[in-house]
Amino acid sequence: DGGITQSPKYLFRKEGQNVTLSCEQNLNHDAMYWYRQDPGQGLRLIYYSQIVNDFQKGDIAEGYSVSREKKESFPLTVTSAQKNPTAFYLCASSRGQTSNQPQHFGDGTRLSIL
Amino acid sequence: AQTVTQSQPEMSVQEAETVTLSCTYDTSESDYYLFWYKQPPSRQMILVIRQEAYKQQNATENRFSVNFQKAAKSFSLKISDSQLGDAAMYFCAYRSTNAGKSTFGDGTTLTVKP
Repeated sequence: DGGITQSPKYLFRKEGQNVTLSCEQNLNHDAMYWYRQDPGQGLRLIYYSQIVNDFQKGDIAEGYSVSREKKESFPLTVTSAQKNPTAFYLCASSRGQTSNQPQHFGDGTRLSIL
Repeated sequence: AQTVTQSQPEMSVQEAETVTLSCTYDTSESDYYLFWYKQPPSRQMILVIRQEAYKQQNATENRFSVNFQKAAKSFSLKISDSQLGDAAMYFCAYRSTNAGKSTFGDGTTLTVKP
């Protein structure tokens, strides 16, 4: 079945450490997105990519970095510059930037500070 | 920038009854897409229903329907014959046809009472 796979499900970060969250999709979608969700709140866009080798900052990009070397993959790195990284991270994809198709979401990664 | 407002942080409904969740948005665009997503306790985001702004007819998906008032910039979700499985957090989302990214509201937590 096609879908989005996020790993790991739970991740712990030490002070000063960079960690990378994986997101892979086999839906042949062009666009991919990373969101951050804090308890009881909505989704805030971190980065998005509409095509391979291109990506744009979202509303809260500081302290995060991404790459899009393959259509299927859009990993998110939480750097040591992100001082409050504890949150639930959701990866999503969609068919195209102007499509009326909805976003498909992964199951999320919960990141905590040790 | 577009904003999406869900004014009801929490709602409750009796099983088999009807409930309406509110969503308003702010935009200067004339063409866009609107979505309602459901996030159950498992945390996976699932599409409930979508609406194209150029369509006057309100979208319907089984027990879920919307009341789309373009001039008022309102997009409410009506759930009929509520079921225990409808309990979740519901997010309203706006998607521009130009920007390729979505803006989410802060969500409404729906409780279904047996």
